[in-house]
Order: sequence, then C-alpha cells, then structure tokens
Amino acid sequence: ETGVTQTPRHLVMGMTNKKSLKCEQHLGHNAMYWYKQSAKKPLELMFVYNFKEQTENNSVPSRFSPECPNSSHLFLHLHTLQPEDSALYLCASSQETGYNSPLHFGNGTRLTVT
Amino acid sequence: EDQVTQSPEALRLQEGESSSLNCSYTVSGLRGLFWYRQDPGKGPEFLFTLYSAGEEKEKERLKATLTKKESFLHITAPKPEDSATYLCAVDSLSMDSNYQLIWGAGTKLIIKP
Repeated sequence: ETGVTQTPRHLVMGMTNKKSLKCEQHLGHNAMYWYKQSAKKPLELMFVYNFKEQTENNSVPSRFSPECPNSSHLFLHLHTLQPEDSALYLCASSQETGYNSPLHFGNGTRLTVT
Repeated sequence: EDQVTQSPEALRLQEGESSSLNCSYTVSGLRGLFWYRQDPGKGPEFLFTLYSAGEEKEKERLKATLTKKESFLHITAPKPEDSATYLCAVDSLSMDSNYQLIWGAGTKLIIKP
C-alpha cells in the first residue's frame, strides 16, 4: 500500500465506549498529525508527532489520547466522548514539520458519537 | 488575530465556464500559502504552495496566484471531475509553532455537465 491509510473508515460509538483510530503511513515521513474536520468549519489541528515525539497538543480534551509507537504508525484512543466530538478525523504525514513540507492526508475516520 | 477567509462558500459552474476562488488572509507575516483539494469521502490532497506576492503556480486547468492580501485559484474551462472542495491554508510568521496552519473553511465547487 502507498500513502496514508486510516482505519476504520466509519465508527459509531456510545458515550461510555472506548475505541481507537489507527493511521499508517508508507511514505517514509518523519512527522504525523491528527486533525478534526467538522462540517463547514476549518480543519482543527489536534496533535503533532515529530520523530515519534509529541511536539504539539492543541488544547485537546483528555478524552482524546494519542499514541505514536514508531514513525509509521499513529493511534488516537477515544473514551467517554461527547456528541459534539462527532466529526471526520484525519491523519496526515509530512517529510518534516514546517511550511516546506506539504501534508499528505488519509481518507479519514467518520466518527459518530451517540 | 490571524485569519483566513475563503469565498464563495459554494460555486456552481457549467462545464467550460471559467471562474476563480478566493482566499483572503490577514496575518502578520506570510511564510507560505497552500491550496488543497478534497473530494467527498476523502482526505485533502495537496495542490500548490505559494511563498511570495506575485508568485504563480499551474497544474492542468488550475492556476494559483498570490498577492499581499489574497490568493486566487483560477479554474479554466473546468470539467465535472474538477468538482471538489478547495481548501486554503496559511503558515504565519506570528505562529510560535512550525506545525500550525490557519485553515479556511473551504469553497465547494460543483461543475455541471
């Protein structure tokens, strides 16, 4: 496989459930990101990992917990979510952090919290 | 406060009808401006990076231009397959982080055959 792969594509979970989103990049990039995309709103950066180290946590609630075991894999662990957390969650990677490295996105996980 | 605004929110064109999408920005200093295309059910796909006023980039029917206040994405003789949401993002010198982009909300482009 090439590019950035996200699983699952769709997820429905109750407010008391625990689930995880998975992202894998096959591009040899050093930086990985989690973004949240809500309808008609700008993309919101959630977390950034550079060489497996978390370098940005954009004031995200603790019910979202990221994990980056290596530079190719990124997880987003979810627990006790709220209905307003329903959105498209996008994973992205880039060769390095900074404006000279375009982002490569996966196709996202559509999350619905009931 | 740094801000990026895209207009119009949605644009419907006939096939072959050329037009432009606008991305206006208010930032203290521009490091780069990016255009992405997003198809339904998919993640954004990188199109262009522009760094300084006067710069232009082209790809097939798309041409991106940059001034000190805004960027335009010109679409010449569009085809139905150009239908997508086009996103603009800015990297501002005022941002402490190298990772923070300021994103617009996007323009949904629909090309009717």
